Amino acid sequence: GQQVMQIPQYQHVQEGEDFTTYCNSSTTLSNIQWYKQRPGGHPVFLIQLVKSGEVKKQKRLTFQFGEAKKNSSLHITATQTTDVGTYFCAVDPYNQGGKLIFGQGTELSVKP
Amino acid sequence: DAGVTQSPTHLIKTRGQHVTLRCSPISGHKSVSWYQQVLGQGPQFIFQYYEKEERGRGNFPDRFSARQFPNYSSELNVNALLLGDSALYLCASTLAGTQYFGPGTRLLVL
Repeated sequence: GQQVMQIPQYQHVQEGEDFTTYCNSSTTLSNIQWYKQRPGGHPVFLIQLVKSGEVKKQKRLTFQFGEAKKNSSLHITATQTTDVGTYFCAVDPYNQGGKLIFGQGTELSVKP
Repeated sequence: DAGVTQSPTHLIKTRGQHVTLRCSPISGHKSVSWYQQVLGQGPQFIFQYYEKEERGRGNFPDRFSARQFPNYSSELNVNALLLGDSALYLCASTLAGTQYFGPGTRLLVL
């Protein structure tokens, strides 16, 4: 089945620095979703990518889906303290929206 | 509009007991999914229900069961609790492929 590995596990940055987390799979993914979970909170949906090579932007966040649909990345430009949290990638293997397989997450801390 | 709601927010149980967790999806959402999130890990899929029928089940023992009611709310039941069942239990309702998570129930098994 589809599984995703996420790196790095932790990332500590100075405010204003950039941040990138990577999501990799050994099999072709039907789609990839990204979630953010603040400390003590619950996952919040950020975006879904479905097309090969797709790039989407949300303000300072840039999401990419690889050409082979086996990897994805989330890049944050000029981090802010509000970006603190754990970022998860997840795949919906049946494209039904009901079952997600999550990566291990990347915990981002931002030093002001 | 209200988001996904879950109750209780926190729960402490002892080994061997059972627990019932409740979830109300966003109005109009007919699909509910349950996840277990152990500290430091990503959520793990437990169940999905759609229109009161089980649509999917993750790799969890039979001690875990769930059901969905006519108003689309759902219950997750766990019997014979083990220390390893301590986790954040998340409920999510789905519309158009997007999952909306509730705040979760933090279960501690002593």
